[in-house]
Amino acid sequence: QQPVQSPQAVILREGEDAVINCSSSKALYSVHWYRQKHGEAPVFLMILLKGGEQKGHEKISASFNEKKQQSSLYLTASQLSYSGTYFCGTDNTNAGKSTFGDGTTLTVKP
Amino acid sequence: DTAVSQTPKYLVTQMGNDKSIKCEQNLGHDTMYWYKQDSKKFLKIMFSYNNKELIINETVPNRFSPKSPDKAHLNLHINSLELGDSAVYFCASRPPTLAGDTGELFFGEGSRLTVL
Repeated sequence: QQPVQSPQAVILREGEDAVINCSSSKALYSVHWYRQKHGEAPVFLMILLKGGEQKGHEKISASFNEKKQQSSLYLTASQLSYSGTYFCGTDNTNAGKSTFGDGTTLTVKP
Repeated sequence: DTAVSQTPKYLVTQMGNDKSIKCEQNLGHDTMYWYKQDSKKFLKIMFSYNNKELIINETVPNRFSPKSPDKAHLNLHINSLELGDSAVYFCASRPPTLAGDTGELFFGEGSRLTVL
């Protein structure tokens, strides 16, 4: 069953922060996040394995709450290049069957 | 140098035709996937192969048949194309990790199929 992302769309000004959430109805083994720009392939941002860890990559970080079966992606001081559609992919086991949410479209304006 | 490459990038065809999309990865990964992304951008898993063996086969019409001649290639053949098959098809590969098949997905550039 696919995870649910919220919000569906976000519009920001450069420098503002955003949070994108991903929830699953099933226990999660791992969560991974991707960004897809229009007409391009999804590009990997980060992966979190069960254990409630938080990861960061420059101004983009993510948390994983295994108990709540949720992950959140945090974008701080957003840049124009952050615009795109963000997908969370979830795995319920380590068998490699990743299921994607329906995406959150982020638009960063000058 | 492209890690995951797909051909063709664009495909326009008539209903009822048969078409194939090819995918190759030079990353040395054992696991490859086909995903379908429809007009609403929903990325849906179709198939997964691990070292030429089919391991995931989602509810996909029999008209879709994947073929993996070796672990670096995963092709997708579609028979009797229908309007609803119009979508972008992404090939992806994934490295194994100590935690299992949970590594990041490396996506190809996508093949946009339009059925008229």
